[in-house]
Amino acid sequence: QMQLQESGPGPVKPSGTLSLTCTVSGGSINTMKYYWGWIRQPPGKGPEWIGSVYYHGRTYLNPSLESRVAILIDTAKNQFSLNLTSMTAADTAVYYCARHGDILTGYFLNYFDSWGQGTLVTVSS
Amino acid sequence: EIVLTQSPAILSLSPGERATLSCRASQSVNNAYLGWYQQKSGQAPRLLIYGTSTRATGIPDRFSGSGSGTDFTLTISRLEPEDFAVYYCQQYSSSLPNTFGQGTKLEIK
Repeated sequence: QMQLQESGPGPVKPSGTLSLTCTVSGGSINTMKYYWGWIRQPPGKGPEWIGSVYYHGRTYLNPSLESRVAILIDTAKNQFSLNLTSMTAADTAVYYCARHGDILTGYFLNYFDSWGQGTLVTVSS
Repeated sequence: EIVLTQSPAILSLSPGERATLSCRASQSVNNAYLGWYQQKSGQAPRLLIYGTSTRATGIPDRFSGSGSGTDFTLTISRLEPEDFAVYYCQQYSSSLPNTFGQGTKLEIK
């Protein structure tokens, strides 16, 4: 059973940078079968896709965030990471890492079939 | 960007009843690339349905999905106590970005 776990430094100050890491266990991220993604969910709202990365480093980003987002993958450590710059209160949310479904089921940036537990990121001075 | 509108915002039903949740897209969803998730308080979303009507691994057959184009439905045939939660739809057509609806809260009447 594949498991994903987010980790990060906790609260972020306004104008600061959020850095989160997702550690994957129970399987390798160095595979052609899946993309790996980041999603966030502000309190009381629906989820928002941030972006996704493939094993060789190719990324796809939400156009609304792409000027502030970087997603990297480290197959040696079985991890992928998120950096989000210029944080404001509007970025306060629970941040999840997740695995997309098998690309053979259809479009490669598809649904999310495995999720981390999420980490609450609060932007506050 | 494809905007998903879910209705109703809140649905109040009793265990044993049938639930019908709606998800309407602002433009046609290619290849019926639509999924449904269940989220309980303090937990991550859980995939129920993908490709409009395919149940994810381990999902009971009381959950079913249907629809095409811009109108999609999640049906729960007979509500169990553990089904009361918030439900989200997600479209993943080839037009980025992937987007989610704002959710339907299914509460006990």
